[in-house]
Amino acid sequence: EDQVTQSPEALRLQEGESSSLNCSYTVSGLRGLFWYRQDPGKGPEFLFTLYSAGEEKEKERLKATLTKKESFLHITAPKPEDSATYLCALHKGAGGTSYGKLTFGQGTILTVHP
Amino acid sequence: DAEITQSPRHKITETGRQVTLACHQTWNHNNMFWYRQDLGHGLRLIHYSYGVQDTNKGEVSDGYSVSRSNTEDLPLTLESAASSQTSVYFCASSEVAVTDTQYFGPGTRLTVL
Repeated sequence: EDQVTQSPEALRLQEGESSSLNCSYTVSGLRGLFWYRQDPGKGPEFLFTLYSAGEEKEKERLKATLTKKESFLHITAPKPEDSATYLCALHKGAGGTSYGKLTFGQGTILTVHP
Repeated sequence: DAEITQSPRHKITETGRQVTLACHQTWNHNNMFWYRQDLGHGLRLIHYSYGVQDTNKGEVSDGYSVSRSNTEDLPLTLESAASSQTSVYFCASSEVAVTDTQYFGPGTRLTVL
């Protein structure tokens, strides 16, 4: 069965204290791994898509990386406005009933203190 | 700008009533999805559509229905609301391929008393 596990469940950082969030997965035939940011009371906001091991993408203070078993969201010198829940999700490749459906992790709640 | 909207944003209803949540997207996306988000369960897929007149059941479809009569809209109906359906509901859409990035609406918070 496809599984997506995010760790830690919650992370508290001081402003400027860099860290990483982890998303480990077990799936046969990964078709894409997605990172979303979700602010309280809002819908998930798309950040990145990664398709193959070794791929990296960056946006401001965020960098996402992908290996064959996990993805990391690195946050460099975070600011209080980076506080949010970060979700990862994956698409499985063709074949079987899961095709085209996103499987989400439980999320990591990030709090950045000034 | 193209967008995806949901209405109402908040709804309180009573057990047994029929409720319809609206989802409208102006991206001309083929694919539309409904999720519910609950503490401890994350986002779970309710129903999805890959085009006009196409609808499919997700992992938690019991008690819900959808219909797709045009590209822009995918309303979600709770036939007879139950307290277990108190949740936050999100609509999403993606462009063409079923594995394209999904973009989410702002959500509807539904309370069933």
